[in-house]
Amino acid sequence: NAGVTQTPKFQVLKTGQSMTLQCAQDMNHEYMSWYRQDPGMGLRLIHYSVGAGITDQGEVPNGYNVSRSTTEDFPLRLLSAAPSQTSVYFCASQEDYEQYFGPGTRLTVT
Amino acid sequence: GDSVTQMEGPVTLSEEAFLTINCTYTATGYPSLFWYVQYPGEGLQLLLKATKADDKGSNKGFEATYRKETTSFHLEKGSVQVSDSAVYFCALSDQGYSTLTFGKGTMLLVSP
Repeated sequence: NAGVTQTPKFQVLKTGQSMTLQCAQDMNHEYMSWYRQDPGMGLRLIHYSVGAGITDQGEVPNGYNVSRSTTEDFPLRLLSAAPSQTSVYFCASQEDYEQYFGPGTRLTVT
Repeated sequence: GDSVTQMEGPVTLSEEAFLTINCTYTATGYPSLFWYVQYPGEGLQLLLKATKADDKGSNKGFEATYRKETTSFHLEKGSVQVSDSAVYFCALSDQGYSTLTFGKGTMLLVSP
């Protein structure tokens, strides 16, 4: 099992550019989520999904879109990047009480 | 709403010292409680969990007891190693199979 994979590992964007952060899991977990991690802020939930075709907003959803067409994939889209979105992004899938995290994507918006 | 408060770091210890990282929570229901660990450059990993009051979670020498009366879930280890240097996050889930609310994390630095 590869677990939870994320691509890319690093990304630099200019303000206004768009991009998609990829997340995939091979554990057949229904529940998946996206977090951002900022210094001194812990992890904050952006969006989550309880299964294919079902998504919902978390604590900080503005500026991000998600979709869930398959159980395996849960991409996060930035439509128009802003410097405030500079952060480390983690995708996670969940089974029972345990969340399995990907290695993260470090995004810088200039 | 739900919240988790952790002691601020960094916590700096010598190898073989005793570790305590405090964690208290506020929740409307009867949450499950977790400690996650993040090693440098990696994602978070579940360290231990407790799903009901008075449960003790343990793993790799770390322990934490779910104290409902004090709404606390303090992390302890009797003898830390250099390899324990990481950021530790306390978290709760208020509805079992649900999203997690995290504390801000506590960095632990262990020197030889």
